This record gives sequence, structure tokens and C-alpha cells, in this order.
Amino acid sequence: SQQGEEDPQALSIQEGENATMNCSYKTSINNLQWYRQNSGRGLVHLILIRSNEREKHSGRLRVTLDTSKKSSSLLITASRAADTASYFCACRYTGGFKTIFGAGTRLFVKA
Amino acid sequence: DTGVSQDPRHKITKRGQNVTFRCDPISEHNRLYWYRQTLGQGPEFLTYFQNEAQLEKSRLLSDRFSAERPKGSFSTLEIQRTEQGDSAMYLCASSLEEGELFFGEGSRLTVL
Repeated sequence: SQQGEEDPQALSIQEGENATMNCSYKTSINNLQWYRQNSGRGLVHLILIRSNEREKHSGRLRVTLDTSKKSSSLLITASRAADTASYFCACRYTGGFKTIFGAGTRLFVKA
Repeated sequence: DTGVSQDPRHKITKRGQNVTFRCDPISEHNRLYWYRQTLGQGPEFLTYFQNEAQLEKSRLLSDRFSAERPKGSFSTLEIQRTEQGDSAMYLCASSLEEGELFFGEGSRLTVL
């Protein structure tokens, strides 16, 4: 299976703390994307990082990509209760058309 | 609203019945994807269209599942002879090139 894996499966932190989620994947990618999903809703795109990029920022989000280790991390700084959601990494593998999602990290931010 | 829309949002059916879901992508997007998601899991790829051509279909998809995208605009996903294991959220997404996917709110299927 090409499915990536997120770590941890669940994370509970206090408001104001930073949250770090990791994603590992199996084979070479064109890009890696992070998505957020609130319970019972569709997914919302957060950041896309291409295989030739190492780091990207968007507001309180920072994504890194290490292609040698086939891994990525998503950092949410100064977390808020509204950040409570599931976060998924998704890989666009080379040589194919599909974007494959991992099982996600469930983040709970306590006010 | 110019986002991805899916219909119906909820469908309850009896085992053995056929169901059809519709997805209207963002108008200028040529790529359309169907995913299935069960509780606590990530979206599972089902099939991919580029314009009207179905270029990839998951091996996990049984013959009871079929998808179409006539004229490269809206898409339909049909499930024939539904089984209880088909109960899930069916998500549609569209994109331009190899960029981000824009998801609809999903169609939740419950098979009794």
C-alpha cells in the first residue's frame, strides 16, 4: 500500500501550545499536502509542498519535507480551541494520478 | 456558491437497493476524484477523472461501483446492490493540474 502514516494518532494540548504532527510515506512523490477536517464535514486544504521544497509557511502553520527520510511534519503554533479537528497528510505519488491520504491525527485543543 | 457541491447529503437505503450520488465540481477544474471515508479513517481513493476520461480506478472498488463524468462536467457515482459495508461518507473533490484538492461536504450513505 502507498498509504502514508501519521503520527501521533491523537494529540491533546492546551490552548497556546504548539502542535506537531508527522507523516511518513512509502515511495517518491510529486507533492505532499496537508488537510484539515472538522467532524462530519469535508476536507479543507491547508498547505501543499512540492518535492523540491523543504519548508513552507502559512500563517501559524509550518510544514517541512524531508524526501531522504520520506517524511513531513506539520507544526501549528499558538494553538487555539478552534484548531480542534482531524489533520491528514496526502501524497501525490509520481507515476500516478491519485492523491493518497493517511489515517490522520486527531487534535484536541483545550481552552 | 462556486465550491464543490454533492447531492444528496444524506441517503438511507435498504440492503440490495441501488444508490446514486452526484458531484458538481468547481467549473474550471478538469480533474475530479471520488473518495470513501469511514469513521476514524482517512479518505480512501475510489476513482479519478481527467475531463470525461476515467483514468484510474481503485482495485478495491468492486464491480458494483461505477462512476461517470459525461462531458467532463458533473460526475455520478452509482452503487448497485448495496451492502451494509458500503455505509460510509462518499467525498468528491476537484482540482486544477496537480494542485490542491477542493472537497465537497460529502454524501453520507447508511445501508440498513
